[in-house]
Amino acid sequence: EPEVTQTPSHQVTQMGQEVILRCVPISNHLYFYWYRQILGQKVEFLVSFYNNEISEKSEIFDDQFSVERPDGSNFTLKIRSTKLEDSAMYFCASTEQGRNTEAFFGQGTRLTVV
Amino acid sequence: GENVEQHPSTLSVQEGDSAVIKCTYSDSASNYFPWYKQELGKGPQLIIDIRSNVGEKKDQRIAVTLNKTAKHFSLHITETQPEDSAVYFCAATGAAGNKLTFGGGTRVLVKP
Repeated sequence: EPEVTQTPSHQVTQMGQEVILRCVPISNHLYFYWYRQILGQKVEFLVSFYNNEISEKSEIFDDQFSVERPDGSNFTLKIRSTKLEDSAMYFCASTEQGRNTEAFFGQGTRLTVV
Repeated sequence: GENVEQHPSTLSVQEGDSAVIKCTYSDSASNYFPWYKQELGKGPQLIIDIRSNVGEKKDQRIAVTLNKTAKHFSLHITETQPEDSAVYFCAATGAAGNKLTFGGGTRVLVKP
């Protein structure tokens, strides 16, 4: 069964450092997403990406965040200068279509900012 | 935007009993309502979904009901087994249909 893969599974970084979280969406999917889950809280939408541009972003997705699809397979989330409150589980997801369709999630990257 | 509330936050059931999780949503234009199961160390995995043109959907031991008038939907697991123990999330896509708004999750524990 096709799956979304994320690397690394766990990332520890110093406050103020840049991190890049990587995702390989399902190959025939066209829509890509990042969500995050702070420990004990809801899974929250960060950003959606289609046709090489951001289609929607949440209030959380400020100037410290960026996304990129550098090649035909990877989809990355960059946090430029990490803060303690960025510590969370980050999930990548992809969908074949853009509306009202099943989203496939990766296993997540646990980001710990110290 | 969309807001989804989920209850209960924890649910403990005896093996073989049924489990019911309820969610409410705020955006009457939402049309797609998936349910995800998350096991420890894994990402959310879709277990069943329902669209607004259907009131009920069943897949083996799992069923989902949707009441669009009341803006609530529920997950029913019958004949629970220990492997059903996990965190379950409901979600809705909102008017645009292009992102998920999640409920807070329900930790289900099935006791053998």
